[in-house]
Amino acid sequence: LAKTTQPISMDSYEGQEVNITCSHNNIATNDYITWYQQFPSQGPRFIIQGYKTKVTNEVASLFIPADRKSSTLSLPRVSLSDTAVYYCLVGAQYNFNKFYFGSGTKLNVKP
Amino acid sequence: DAGVTQSPTHLIKTRGQHVTLRCSPISGHKSVSWYQQVLGQGPQFIFQYYEKEERGRGNFPDRFSARQFPNYSSELNVNALLLGDSALYLCASSEPGTGGTDTQYFGPGTRLTVL
Repeated sequence: LAKTTQPISMDSYEGQEVNITCSHNNIATNDYITWYQQFPSQGPRFIIQGYKTKVTNEVASLFIPADRKSSTLSLPRVSLSDTAVYYCLVGAQYNFNKFYFGSGTKLNVKP
Repeated sequence: DAGVTQSPTHLIKTRGQHVTLRCSPISGHKSVSWYQQVLGQGPQFIFQYYEKEERGRGNFPDRFSARQFPNYSSELNVNALLLGDSALYLCASSEPGTGGTDTQYFGPGTRLTVL
């Protein structure tokens, strides 16, 4: 089971770039890395997914080094509305029972 | 298009009772997964159903059961409720992707309180 380790919490200020790192030392060859965002009393929302190197979409970037034992979610110019819990997941297709959410990282964006 | 819907939004039960939670996936999605989220923790996987068959099961007791209907909606049943079953129950639907892992689209959840 490819468990992940993330910081429990992070603080930032509006307009800053935020980088959240996740460790997944036991990642398997077929595993992808996925990040979700969750607001209180809501279901998680998909942010980004990658396998190696760098992936970028309209809301975030995901950096994955060559050994794939860690990954970094980068949020450019955060706003107050980015205050949420961010989860890093590692797993393979159709193996949701091997998706381990962990406790996530609570990002607190201050004005 | 409507997202994943779940009912009811809130539910209060007493110990020993039974509960049924319902989920309607996004139109066209054939896979439904259920998660339990205890306050302060991340979601824990309970079940995954695909094309009406169980594809995966997490580390939950037999008191938890689920099924998927021909229209791909799903029910989660929990028997003999315990205080520790109090949680937010999340349903997620997905469709086969072109690569990687399927993106899961979560519903708003059902808040279950067991007294």
